Amino acid sequence: GENVEQHPSTLSVQEGDSAVIKCTYSDSASNYFPWYKQELGKRPQLIIDIRSNVGEKKDQRIAVTLNKTAKHFSLHITETQPEDSAVYFCAAVIGSNSGGSNYKLTFGKGTLLTVNP
Amino acid sequence: GAGVSQSPSNKVTEKGKDVELRCDPISGHTALYWYRQSLGQGLEFLIYFQGNSAPDKSGLPSDRFSAERTGGSVSTLTIQRTQQEDSAVYLCASSSSSHPRNEQFFGPGTRLTVL
Repeated sequence: GENVEQHPSTLSVQEGDSAVIKCTYSDSASNYFPWYKQELGKRPQLIIDIRSNVGEKKDQRIAVTLNKTAKHFSLHITETQPEDSAVYFCAAVIGSNSGGSNYKLTFGKGTLLTVNP
Repeated sequence: GAGVSQSPSNKVTEKGKDVELRCDPISGHTALYWYRQSLGQGLEFLIYFQGNSAPDKSGLPSDRFSAERTGGSVSTLTIQRTQQEDSAVYLCASSSSSHPRNEQFFGPGTRLTVL
């Protein structure tokens, strides 16, 4: 089955700096890579995702890059703010291109990001 | 609209007792997932329901764990003869095949403590 490794497990940055979280996956058939953010005491929420047919995707201060050859993908947060403090989870899945909700996500163990004011 | 709901929010039980955890997915969502989140760990997949298909039970850690989804909506996760290592937050998520990103929407979780 799929295996997802996530690093680092904790990350502390100063407000305004950038933060990078990296993940590797084992199954070359994986084709969908979402990132979830879980604030303290709250439920995980999708913040950005990327499909295997693109190498980079941006949404304001966050971006995700994908290297299919090396089987790794990364989350980049620029101009970090205290409200970015949370646990971030990467995930990988072999999804069906024919549609349908048959996405069984394999999650990384999470990265606790702390943004210091 | 209403999101995914779970009950109870907290459950404290004694070792050896059975527990039932409930999940109400978003109306119309055909896919439903159960995950377990232990301290310092990621989200561990337990079981997945999709429409009327047979569930994917590949993540259930032992035969003490089972889940049902009645009428394609509400799901119940049952843990029999609970052990202390079962203590964790149990999260439910649902998704819609019509959603462009097939985003999984999570519930608030049930925190289970086995004494």
